[in-house]
Amino acid sequence: SYELTQPPSVSVSPGQTARITCSGDALPKQYAYWYQQKPGQAPVLVIYKDSERPSGIPERFSGSSSGTTVTLTISGVQAEDEADYYCQSADSSGTYPDVVFGGGTKLTVL
Amino acid sequence: QVQLVESGGGLVKPGGSLRLSCAASGFTFSDYYMSWIRQAPGKGLEWVSYISSSGSTIYYADSVKGRFTISRDNAKNSLYLQMNSLRAEDTAVYYCARASSGWYFGYWGQGTLVTVSS
Repeated sequence: SYELTQPPSVSVSPGQTARITCSGDALPKQYAYWYQQKPGQAPVLVIYKDSERPSGIPERFSGSSSGTTVTLTISGVQAEDEADYYCQSADSSGTYPDVVFGGGTKLTVL
Repeated sequence: QVQLVESGGGLVKPGGSLRLSCAASGFTFSDYYMSWIRQAPGKGLEWVSYISSSGSTIYYADSVKGRFTISRDNAKNSLYLQMNSLRAEDTAVYYCARASSGWYFGYWGQGTLVTVSS
């Protein structure tokens, strides 16, 4: 199965912009998805199909894609955005979908 | 609103078995693929298994193939994971998740902890 690579940590001050990257060879052909997970809670989908935002997710969350890298951008970071963020994709070119998560990025709001 | 509630976790010895359940509500359960995803303590997320809306198509991660069995009962709005030959590395919080087309997960339960230890 293929891999998705994320930086282990990103730190930003409140009000700044946080960018979390996710790299993988299959990303040019497959959509990426992003989840936010706060301590002791289940993950929450914040971006789907590279750049779509589910209802109820604040507009400050956005996603983009370029080649083998997708990026989650959080504009005007707030203290409540401190969490682990995971990218995910699925290579469905084989006989079954190979669902993969990145290793996760801990976002620290300074 | 969509609710997924897992149960059945606990402490089990290596080589033992456990059956997890997930009770779904707030949506038409029989319309959706469902999945189990796990998270070892302090680690990242790992997809475990998928089952189609009718139960006719099933996929497993290589790490659990041959040991775990996913199933569903659409009449009871319930998803199951039978886990056999459990190993220490199966220790994790197990989440039930509703899958969306494109193989992603729009809704998650709160998880149930499985600990495999002697």
